Amino acid sequence: SQTIHQWPATLVQPVGSPLSLECTVEGTSNPNLYWYRQAAGRGLQLLFYSVGIGQISSEVPQNLSASRPQDRQFILSSKKLLLSDSGFYLCAWSGGFGSPLHFGNGTRLTVT
Amino acid sequence: GEDVEQSLFLSVREGDSSVINCTYTDSSSTYLYWYKQEPGAGLQLLTYIFSNMDMKQDQRLTVLLNKKDKHLSLRIADTQTGDSAIYFCAESHSGGYQKVTFGTGTKLQVIP
Repeated sequence: SQTIHQWPATLVQPVGSPLSLECTVEGTSNPNLYWYRQAAGRGLQLLFYSVGIGQISSEVPQNLSASRPQDRQFILSSKKLLLSDSGFYLCAWSGGFGSPLHFGNGTRLTVT
Repeated sequence: GEDVEQSLFLSVREGDSSVINCTYTDSSSTYLYWYKQEPGAGLQLLTYIFSNMDMKQDQRLTVLLNKKDKHLSLRIADTQTGDSAIYFCAESHSGGYQKVTFGTGTKLQVIP
């Protein structure tokens, strides 16, 4: 069966520090991969998606970047964190159109 | 653009049925999903329905789709305290990649 791992679960970082969040998927190949951010309100904002290795698309301009160095690995990064980067970050995967998204357990990021 | 709307809050008594409603604007929506999010956790897929279906039942869960009115509902029979969570409606449609648009979530409070 497929599983998705996301870490760390919580992170407290000072403003201006770098960020690296990692997500890996097991039990499937060539998944679509997604990074979402959930702010204090509730709604989910799509940040990045990837349909293959090295293929990254950004939904909104921001202080963050994403990379997919391997088929089942998706990384969210920042060179310098801002206070506004605080939030709950969720990684997800799907098997393609029609296949539902499956989410990781999320990373709670607090920028101080 | 696509928009998915839900009421923010619902309170029911344990043992009663809960009905969570959702409306969407994209007439080309092909799949509609319901997710459950417990505090501090990721989103858990509950069920999903293809747009050519009117109803889907899965144990205590019943999904009703009115495609004409672009209205989706989730009924939880015999609601339990463990059903307390935020429920997200989401829709996806074809368009290059699988873009999924989420509602803002409905917080379900179950009163013992």
